[in-house]
This record gives sequence, C-alpha cells and structure tokens, in this order.
Amino acid sequence: GQQLNQSPQSMFIQEGEDVSMNCTSSSIFNTWLWYKQDPGEGPVLLIALYKAGELTSNGRLTAQFGITRKDSFLNISASIPSDVGIYFCAGQGDYGQNFVFGPGTRLSVLP
Amino acid sequence: DVKVTQSSRYLVKRTGEKVFLECVQDMDHENMFWYRQDPGLGLRLIYFSYDVKMKEKGDIPEGYSVSREKKERFSLILESASTNQTSMYLCASSLIAGEQYFGPGTRLTVT
Repeated sequence: GQQLNQSPQSMFIQEGEDVSMNCTSSSIFNTWLWYKQDPGEGPVLLIALYKAGELTSNGRLTAQFGITRKDSFLNISASIPSDVGIYFCAGQGDYGQNFVFGPGTRLSVLP
Repeated sequence: DVKVTQSSRYLVKRTGEKVFLECVQDMDHENMFWYRQDPGLGLRLIYFSYDVKMKEKGDIPEGYSVSREKKERFSLILESASTNQTSMYLCASSLIAGEQYFGPGTRLTVT
C-alpha cells in the first residue's frame, strides 16, 4: 500500500530557531495535511493543501504542496517551547480514498 | 469548531474483558474512523464508516468490531481484550473525502 516517509524522525533545536521538515511518498497525492500532536493528546490539524505548488501559512507555520505531488514541506519560524510535539503529515490520493499518515517528526525545543 | 469527544481519556481493563470505546462528533460528518497509535508504528486504521450502519475494515481490524447506529456516534468494541491491545486509540471524523479531525484519544491498558 501507499506509504509516507517523514524526515527527520526527530530533531532538537534551540528556541528561536527555524525548523524544516518534509514528507515524501512514492505515490502521487491530491491533498496533503499537516497535524501536530501534543503528548497525550489527539492530533490537531494545522494546515491543509489542495493544489500542487500551493504555499499556505498559519501563523508561524508555512506548508507547501510539492510540485511533483509526491512531497510536502512544513516550516516553523522562530520556534517556541510550545512547538514541542510530534508533527504528522497525511496524504490522500484519489477523491474519497482514506488518508495515509506518515510516522511523524518529533520536535524538541531547548530553552 | 469541530468537536470530537471520546468517552474516556484513560482506561484500565483486564484480559478477556469486553471493552467499549465511544466517540461522538458534533459536526454532522459522514465519515468516522478508529485508529490505534503505538510508538514507532504511527497511526494504524482499524475500522471506518461512511454512513450510519456502514462499516469497513481498515488495516488492522482483527480483534475489533465497530458499531454506528447514529451518524454522530461511532463505537469501537474489543470483544475480549488482550494485552497486545494496550495502546492509544484515536477517533476521527470528516466530511466525505475531507480533512480528518481527531478526538483527544483514549489510552487503554489491558492487564
């Protein structure tokens, strides 16, 4: 079946630094989603992308739908301690298919 | 705002017990999903439902069943709980082919 890879698996950064992470697939997707999961909580939807090349921001977060439709990127600017958590990407192929989730990138922010 | 609620945040059950996990969404979404989340394995789809009384197997349905008698409610049932079902269980809902919104999760421990 379809699989997503996320890179890096985990990262430690200093407060104030910018963060970049990506999600790649061997299949083409028509929708990309980015979620954040705080410890012990359910994932919360951050950004949804619907078109190749699309660039969407949500506060300090910016995500892009790769032009090949096989990848997506999430950037966080000026990280703060509450950015700590696991960031998941999810992709949907054809309309009506279930989303496929990546394994997540665990972000730690050092004060 | 979409709200997905789960009946319990933490649950401890004994091996062999029948376990019910309840999920309710208040946004009139057609689709509802049950996932389990384990370290290193990401989110794995157990069952999903596209309509009342409809259910479809996901990737790991063995040992589980579901019930959807009303549009807003989707129940996950462990007929005879086993220790390998100790996990975080996440419910989600969505419009047809839309973004999934997650509940806070139920951490189930089977002893």
